Amino acid sequence: AQTVTQSQPEMSVQEAETVTLSCTYDTSESDYYLFWYKQPPSRQMILVIRQEAYKQQNATENRFSVNFQKAAKSFSLKISDSQLGDAAMYFCAGDTGTASKLTFGTGTRLQVTL
Amino acid sequence: GAVVSQHPSWVICKSGTSVKIECRSLDFQATTMFWYRQFPKQSLMLMATSNEGSKATYEQGVEKDKFLINHASLTLSTLTVTSAHPEDSSFYICSARDASANTGELFFGEGSRLTVL
Repeated sequence: AQTVTQSQPEMSVQEAETVTLSCTYDTSESDYYLFWYKQPPSRQMILVIRQEAYKQQNATENRFSVNFQKAAKSFSLKISDSQLGDAAMYFCAGDTGTASKLTFGTGTRLQVTL
Repeated sequence: GAVVSQHPSWVICKSGTSVKIECRSLDFQATTMFWYRQFPKQSLMLMATSNEGSKATYEQGVEKDKFLINHASLTLSTLTVTSAHPEDSSFYICSARDASANTGELFFGEGSRLTVL
């Protein structure tokens, strides 16, 4: 993706509840990948979920799922049954293939409260 | 999953000295590695793309003479911050793709925190 936008600097969710993080992107490519990465306080970047643009089915990884709206260029992340360990910075990112650069959004800080 | 290791994880140096940060792919080969810089509470900013056996490609605004990148093997890329100054203090993160895979996934190192006094 050439630009990635995250409009929510911070979000908060109660434990066991569901939260959705927003992401929009813009690209002129027809084939690309979109990602959500998590960065906990340790600052190690961890891949949460990946979506190939050519796949219509939304990706799901356990409690994490995406709502990929290709026409709207939207790629939101839904976290179900939120846990304290989900608290972190979440970055939306995109690229156009194995040799291309990954472009990151500005991030959303997620707080999980009891 | 694939592992990328960065070393050192934390370094403090005096102004004017040079610091080398290593990025290794431990269980896969990476023809391309990426170096990012992250300021506190900000996103990752791509500095350069490290290409095995050839010159690195730098992003606009990144001084190639200040940030020397060498990618001498398929498992190692190094970033050298030359004549470091306090404004170079930052968190530097490398990432790499598995050359044999086609998933698009980037694997990240643990990051290196540089503090220049």
